[in-house]
Amino acid sequence: DVKVTQSSRYLVKRTGEKVFLECVQDMDHENMFWYRQDPGLGLRLIYFSYDVKMKEKGDIPEGYSVSREKKERFSLILESASTNQTSMYLCASSSHRRTTYEQYFGPGTRLTVT
Amino acid sequence: QKEVEQNSGPLSVPEGAIASLNCTYSDRVSQSFFWYRQYSGKSPELIMSIYSNGDKEDGRFTAQLNKASQYVSLLIRDSQPSDSATYLCAVAPYSNSGYALNFGKGTSLLVTP
Repeated sequence: DVKVTQSSRYLVKRTGEKVFLECVQDMDHENMFWYRQDPGLGLRLIYFSYDVKMKEKGDIPEGYSVSREKKERFSLILESASTNQTSMYLCASSSHRRTTYEQYFGPGTRLTVT
Repeated sequence: QKEVEQNSGPLSVPEGAIASLNCTYSDRVSQSFFWYRQYSGKSPELIMSIYSNGDKEDGRFTAQLNKASQYVSLLIRDSQPSDSATYLCAVAPYSNSGYALNFGKGTSLLVTP
């Protein structure tokens, strides 16, 4: 079974703090994704990566950066957290060796910025 | 912007009935289609994938794809209260940069005992 894990289920941070969210997958997937999910807005893609050290901006990259130093690990960084970044953050992974694009999600991190 | 549209609901069906969830997409050359189930406070879980026109059945779930009409649906037979969740439709575009999926905003399903 595909397993995607995220470093925290719940996180509370203060405005201006630097926040790191980590995601690890154990299926040797090439692609990894970071989404945020807000009521009424659905899933919105922040960044994705299709290989180590590679990254592509998604729909809402502003205020975020990412790092992928190892194939299994993809980190999302909030450089200076703001209250409008309070959200559910979801990591996902997929393989492009199989051209089916199925994505598998981690359990999510609910981040509150106060 | 490639659009994936779903009725937000809530769709309410009695226990034992068939629930029908619909999704339309704008990118005519889309190739792969997925249904995810998301319980409140949890992450999306992949429940069905479909790649060619027609029906695909898996237990109580049937996915239907009509590429000419750009329409994909999910039928849930013998609906149970445990099926109450939000169902997300996702589409993989043909010209895919980075293999990202386009997600709809989801349909909320409520199965009443």
